[in-house]
Amino acid sequence: GNSVTQMEGPVTLSEEAFLTINCTYTATGYPSLFWYVQYPGEGLQLLLKATKADDKGSNKGFEATYRKETTSFHLEKGSVQVSDSAVYFCALSDRGSSASKIIFGSGTRLSIRP
Amino acid sequence: GAVVSQHPSRVICKSGTSVKIECRSLDFQATTMFWYRQFPKQSLMLMATSNEGSKATYEQGVEKDKFLINHASLTLSTLTVTSAHPEDSSFYICSARTSAGNEQFFGPGTRLTVL
Repeated sequence: GNSVTQMEGPVTLSEEAFLTINCTYTATGYPSLFWYVQYPGEGLQLLLKATKADDKGSNKGFEATYRKETTSFHLEKGSVQVSDSAVYFCALSDRGSSASKIIFGSGTRLSIRP
Repeated sequence: GAVVSQHPSRVICKSGTSVKIECRSLDFQATTMFWYRQFPKQSLMLMATSNEGSKATYEQGVEKDKFLINHASLTLSTLTVTSAHPEDSSFYICSARTSAGNEQFFGPGTRLTVL
């Protein structure tokens, strides 16, 4: 079945450091891929998405490229800020499914030190 | 963008009582709504999928008589936790999807604490 595997946290970085959170997936067909962010005490917000191979999603300085050959969708940011501290979820949605369920990874908690 | 609201944001109840959580799509019609449960420091687990006007489809291991879902209109779905117990304490999150695309829009979540 479909699944998402992302690097375990917590990840702690200093402000302005480079961030990579790895995500790989297993899916039949051609899923859409997402990164969601959850700030403390809040629900999920869509951070970025990519719907086909080689697409790059970007938002708020974050980027992720849909790599079909490596089945990956790694999240990157060149210079993190304290306000980026949150839990990040990689996810996929099988477009072939009429219910379009979203399968989430386990989440990676990111803490940024001033 | 599309907005999904949940009410209440927090609820504390006594063991044995029932609690209803509402999920509303504020500026779009949601043909499908999803209910998730999130345990502390864990990912979201899909509980059920509901389509407007039909019975919800529950994921394996989720008791349909325990977690009653109603999706009576294109903008409202409700989750009722019946005879709640402390182990039902969790963060419940809904999401809504239009018939047009496969993007889901998430509500802010409801934190349920059962004493």
